[in-house]
Amino acid sequence: GNSVTQMEGPVTLSEEAFLTINCTYTATGYPSLFWYVQYPGEGLQLLLKATKADDKGSNKGFEATYRKETTSFHLEKGSVQVSDSAVYFCALSPNYQAGTALIFGKGTTLSVSS
Amino acid sequence: KAGVTQTPRYLIKTRGQQVTLSCSPISGHRSVSWYQQTPGQGLQFLFEYFSETQRNKGNFPGRFSGRQFSNSRSEMNVSTLELGDSALYLCASNLGASGSEQYFGPGTRLTVT
Repeated sequence: GNSVTQMEGPVTLSEEAFLTINCTYTATGYPSLFWYVQYPGEGLQLLLKATKADDKGSNKGFEATYRKETTSFHLEKGSVQVSDSAVYFCALSPNYQAGTALIFGKGTTLSVSS
Repeated sequence: KAGVTQTPRYLIKTRGQQVTLSCSPISGHRSVSWYQQTPGQGLQFLFEYFSETQRNKGNFPGRFSGRQFSNSRSEMNVSTLELGDSALYLCASNLGASGSEQYFGPGTRLTVT
């Protein structure tokens, strides 16, 4: 079946530190991959996405590369800010079937201190 | 363009009751999906509607049902509420093509007592 595994949190960093949140997936075929972010008390916002192998998604300084050989989609940011404190979810959407259902990882809480 | 709206934002119900949640998608979006978010299980897919038809369904009991109207607005119903149904229910919409990014509403916080 389809599944997403994320590194357990919480991740605690100082401002300007380098961030990596690991994400690996199991899927049939070639899924689309996403990172969503949830700020306290809010719904989910799309952070970035990649739809095929070797694609790199990027937004707001965050990047992730679709690696089919390692079935991974790790999220990185070179210099985090306090405002990046949130919960980050890795997700996949199977493309072998009609529809746009998302399968999410458990989420990783990031806390950035000044 | 207005975002996805969900009503009500907060709801308190008693065990055994039923509840209906509403979602209005972004204008032009034909697909609406529902997700349940709990601390223990995380985000779980409930079902997706596209052009008034259920296109996909997650692994939830039949007490959870939904429908979509001709204007793409969707409702989700939970009957015979259980304590474990307490959760944040998120609605998301998109254009409907496979792999499309989803746009989420703020959610409805349901508390079952």
